[in-house]
Amino acid sequence: QVTLRESGPALVKPRQTLTLTCTFSGFSLKTTGMCVSWIRQPPGKAPEWLARIDWDDDTYFSSSLRTRLAISKDTSKNEVVLTLTDVDPVDSATYYCARIFTYDYGPAFDSWGQGTLVTVAS
Amino acid sequence: SSELTQPPSVSVSPGQTARITCSGDDWGNKYACWYQQKSGQSPILVIYQDNQRPTGIPERFSASTSGNTATLTISGTHAVDEADYYCQVCDSSSYVFGTGTKVTVL
Repeated sequence: QVTLRESGPALVKPRQTLTLTCTFSGFSLKTTGMCVSWIRQPPGKAPEWLARIDWDDDTYFSSSLRTRLAISKDTSKNEVVLTLTDVDPVDSATYYCARIFTYDYGPAFDSWGQGTLVTVAS
Repeated sequence: SSELTQPPSVSVSPGQTARITCSGDDWGNKYACWYQQKSGQSPILVIYQDNQRPTGIPERFSASTSGNTATLTISGTHAVDEADYYCQVCDSSSYVFGTGTKVTVL
């Protein structure tokens, strides 16, 4: 059974760096075709894709947030970490991680975590 | 495609057909995907690669694409289908979500 769980601070001050961890089970990021993405969703709005890391260490980022984002993985811990620098109140959202397994459903997000709500405020 | 436009809301009676459109300006060779998100829950994938259903998704969910428009169809809508639906252009290196459609089953 595939599961993903996001963790991190619920409250971050403006201009700080947000660090979120996705801990997953039921699959391995060593498997060819396996990827993990981060997506965020402000309250009442559509989701916004942020970043993706692949089994072969390739990384991809939203063009609008590229300069502020970093993504990394620790395959021994089954974790993917996202950092977002210089946060602003507009970065307040529920942050999700999701799995992609290209051999099953192509580039689609086939499993999602339950999300973690992050508020940026002083 | 930088923006995907969906109607804000669609209302349907139980047993009737709901259709949700998703329009963009540059699909290229990208796939359309669709997600269902019920209130307070995470999204779930209901359509991938334009018109394929993942395991466990009911047959009443179908989809098609024509030009720069993708359409999700829910045939014989059930009350449990009431949710927000988001289209997405799936590409190997970038993703764009639609604006979202709230489906209300009256």
